[in-house]
Amino acid sequence: NAGVTQTPKFRILKIGQSMTLQCTQDMNHNYMYWYRQDPGMGLKLIYYSVGAGITDKGEVPNGYNVSRSTTEDFPLRLELAAPSQTSVYFCASKGTGGYTEAFFGQGTRLTVV
Amino acid sequence: EDQVTQSPEALRLQEGESSSLNCSYTVSGLRGLFWYRQDPGKGPEFLFTLYSAGEEKEKERLKATLTKKESFLHITAPKPEDSATYLCAVQAVSGGSYIPTFGRGTSLIVHP
Repeated sequence: NAGVTQTPKFRILKIGQSMTLQCTQDMNHNYMYWYRQDPGMGLKLIYYSVGAGITDKGEVPNGYNVSRSTTEDFPLRLELAAPSQTSVYFCASKGTGGYTEAFFGQGTRLTVV
Repeated sequence: EDQVTQSPEALRLQEGESSSLNCSYTVSGLRGLFWYRQDPGKGPEFLFTLYSAGEEKEKERLKATLTKKESFLHITAPKPEDSATYLCAVQAVSGGSYIPTFGRGTSLIVHP
């Protein structure tokens, strides 16, 4: 099993450009999450999904959009990129059940210039 | 609002020098406290799940404990390969969904 796969690993965007960060998991997990990680700030939740067709906002959703058309895929869309969106983005998935752990992808390092 | 505070922010140890990392939390409806290890340029990797106060888990040189307000990650006789950032997360139910909330992490460096 590949687990959680994120693409791309690195990306540089110009201000105002748009892009989609891809995330796919092969563990048949219902829960999927997008976090951003800034230096010294821990992981902040952007959006999450409890299953195909269901998404909800996290702590820092502004400037981002998500969709969940299949169990496997949970892409994160950045519209009109801003320097404040420079960060490392992590996708994670988790099985159903309260005490199950999350599995993380390797991250996407995004720089907006 | 769920809160997770980790201390210290950074810790430098000599090889073999045991110490503890702290994770204090406030959460309603706890559904697990988790410890993860994160190496530079990588995603967090799961270490332990603690289910209820009084529980302890061990793995090699690491031992995690849980009380009603905090968790400790004890590192016994650490080696340089234990150098990493250690993240604590609490999971609670929010509107019927399970949401992990993370602390800022403790950056551990073990010198040979």
